[in-house]
Amino acid sequence: DIQMTQSPSSLSASVGDRVTITCRASQSISSYLNWYQHRPGKAPKLLIYAASSLQSGVPPRFSGSGSGTDFTLTISSLQPEDFATYYCQQSYSTSPTFGLGTKVEIK
Amino acid sequence: QVQLVQSGAEVKKPGASVKVSCKASGYTFSTYGISWVRQAPGQGLEWMGWISAYNGDRKYAQMFQGRVTMTTDTSTSTAYMELRSLRSDDTAFYFCAKDQVELPERLDYWGQGTLVTVSS
Repeated sequence: DIQMTQSPSSLSASVGDRVTITCRASQSISSYLNWYQHRPGKAPKLLIYAASSLQSGVPPRFSGSGSGTDFTLTISSLQPEDFATYYCQQSYSTSPTFGLGTKVEIK
Repeated sequence: QVQLVQSGAEVKKPGASVKVSCKASGYTFSTYGISWVRQAPGQGLEWMGWISAYNGDRKYAQMFQGRVTMTTDTSTSTAYMELRSLRSDDTAFYFCAKDQVELPERLDYWGQGTLVTVSS
């Protein structure tokens, strides 16, 4: 299986901050990389697919970049509703795998 | 609007089986797939498998091979996930999610989750 490594595992930030989360694949996955937001008690939500495409209805403060093995999710100006856990997921293989998550907490 | 509504919470004994349903609406069920993902307490998301609602093709994560069966009923737009030989570490929230029809790719709508508790 392709291993996905996210960093950091958690971070503290303030409303208005720019936040960057990275995800590294154990082998090249081209652009087959998705990002999800998961708030406690809610269903996960697709934010970015194919590394950089913004899912319909997702605010443009979210953006994704990268290809090959290294990827980034950026939140340009953190909002109160953005405090959550973020997961990357590779869909290059027919057995998709998630990273372990990055928890974004309020500073 | 797209909705996936899952069946209610289950409590099972070790060694038993559980079958979770996921009823879809708001889109043409047979032109997409369904993936199943679980989250154990305090853990991250774990992909379990995918089924095409078009032709029944399936892909299962290796760790669940032989213990999981995913099916769909296109007449009711419902997907099912059965997990057998339950162990305590199968205690988790189980989610269904709308996926692509040819291969697992991206999960753009999710069900609300079903808590399965395995306890003697």
